[in-house]
Amino acid sequence: DAGVTQSPTHLIKTRGQQVTLRCSPKSGHDTVSWYQQALGQGPQFIFQYYEEEERQRGNFPDRFSGHQFPNYSSELNVNALLLGDSALYLCASSTGFGGSNEKLFFGSGTQLSVL
Amino acid sequence: DAKTTQPPSMDCAEGRAANLPCNHSTISGNEYVYWYRQIHSQGPQYIIHGLKNNETNEMASLIITEDRKSSTLILPHATLRDTAVYYCVSGTYKYIFGTGTRLKVLA
Repeated sequence: DAGVTQSPTHLIKTRGQQVTLRCSPKSGHDTVSWYQQALGQGPQFIFQYYEEEERQRGNFPDRFSGHQFPNYSSELNVNALLLGDSALYLCASSTGFGGSNEKLFFGSGTQLSVL
Repeated sequence: DAKTTQPPSMDCAEGRAANLPCNHSTISGNEYVYWYRQIHSQGPQYIIHGLKNNETNEMASLIITEDRKSSTLILPHATLRDTAVYYCVSGTYKYIFGTGTRLKVLA
C-alpha cells in the first residue's frame, strides 16, 4: 500500500517563474492538505481540498492555488515566484471525515529553491 | 485557530522516559490534540492523538490535563532513533504547527 507520494522531490526555479507540485494521496484517502515549511520552522497550512473543492485556506496570497482531481490527487501551483517561496512543500492526506478528528499522513515533500 | 506552545529543545538519556510538554490553552472543546514528529526534514509522522482521555499506543502515551489546556507526550523508553522534532498540533480542518520541540536522545 503506497503512502502519500509527491513529485518532484527537488526543484530549482528563478524569481517570477511558475511552479506546479503534485501529490497522490494514500489509498483510501479523499482529502489533501498542503503545507509550506521554511527552514527551521514548523509546517504552515496553505489549503485543503475535499471533493475537488478548496475547503479551508491559510494565510497565503492568491499566487498559491491548487486543484484536486476526481482520483483525489492534487496539484499546488505557485505563480510569480519570490525568493521567500523557497521551502519544503508537504502534502498530507486524510480520510476527510472532517472536523478535528482527522489523522494526517504526510509525503516526503518537494524541496523548492527559488534563485 | 488553536495555538500550541512547546519548549524549543530537550535532551533525554537513552532508555529513559522522554516527557514532552505542550500548552494549548486556546484549544476549542471539540478539537483533538495531535502529536507528530519529523526526522531529517522528512514529512511529519503521526504519533498519537486524543480529545479528553489519556491515550496509549505502541509508540507513546498522551496525558491530557482535565482542563485540556496542556498535554504531555511520553516516550517510555527513548532510543537514539527517537531524536527528532516533535510537534503538538490542534485545529479544525487546518492544523496549526508551532516550531516544535527538538528532542535529542543521548547515548
